[in-house]
Amino acid sequence: GAGVSQSPSNKVTEKGKDVELRCDPISGHTALYWYRQSLGQGLEFLIYFQGNSAPDKSGLPSDRFSAERTGGSVSTLTIQRTQQEDSAVYLCASSSTRGMYNEQFFGPGTRLTVL
Amino acid sequence: DQQVKQNSPSLSVQEGRISILNCDYTNSMFDYFLWYKKYPAEGPTFLISISSIKDKNEDGRFTVFLNKSAKHLSLHIVPSQPGDSAVYFCAARALISSGSARQLTFGSGTQLTVLP
Repeated sequence: GAGVSQSPSNKVTEKGKDVELRCDPISGHTALYWYRQSLGQGLEFLIYFQGNSAPDKSGLPSDRFSAERTGGSVSTLTIQRTQQEDSAVYLCASSSTRGMYNEQFFGPGTRLTVL
Repeated sequence: DQQVKQNSPSLSVQEGRISILNCDYTNSMFDYFLWYKKYPAEGPTFLISISSIKDKNEDGRFTVFLNKSAKHLSLHIVPSQPGDSAVYFCAARALISSGSARQLTFGSGTQLTVLP
């Protein structure tokens, strides 16, 4: 596909369970970002991967959140021991690094509901 | 600490009229600004951007204005069409000295409704 894809599109889980969210960036894009949008809020930055550099984890809200990017492509965001406040739409974006200003292309998001 | 603010959560405009969406920012390190449009159940899509070295950028019906001294930008849509009804997010980016891209800081969005 030409765009960023994310799976699953919807995830309902019980409080305390772990979840994994997947992102497939646009082929050739070296930068990958995770954001989340809680109800009525803007997009909140979580983590940023750029090539083989160490990721920028400054936006992760707690140590229950982690992400990895294997082979410089697919990324997985893991939330351990989910809490109700984790309920949000989790969005992934990717961009190339050509040029100074790099448009980020977003996937459709994963809607996470923690009961 | 909201560095990018969209103070109007919603805006309704008659078809054919001008829509003006506003955005304020506080971080003087921001030097690139973007507008994204989001339909329900879809990810945001890039609409238009402006570098801090400019004060206006125009693309068809969409124009973005930047007032650096006021730390304010606005998106004008004219004429507005019912298909423009969506949530519009203002976003800003600060480039680090090496020039590599960094994350976007988003506003909370404005729901635009264009009435037929």
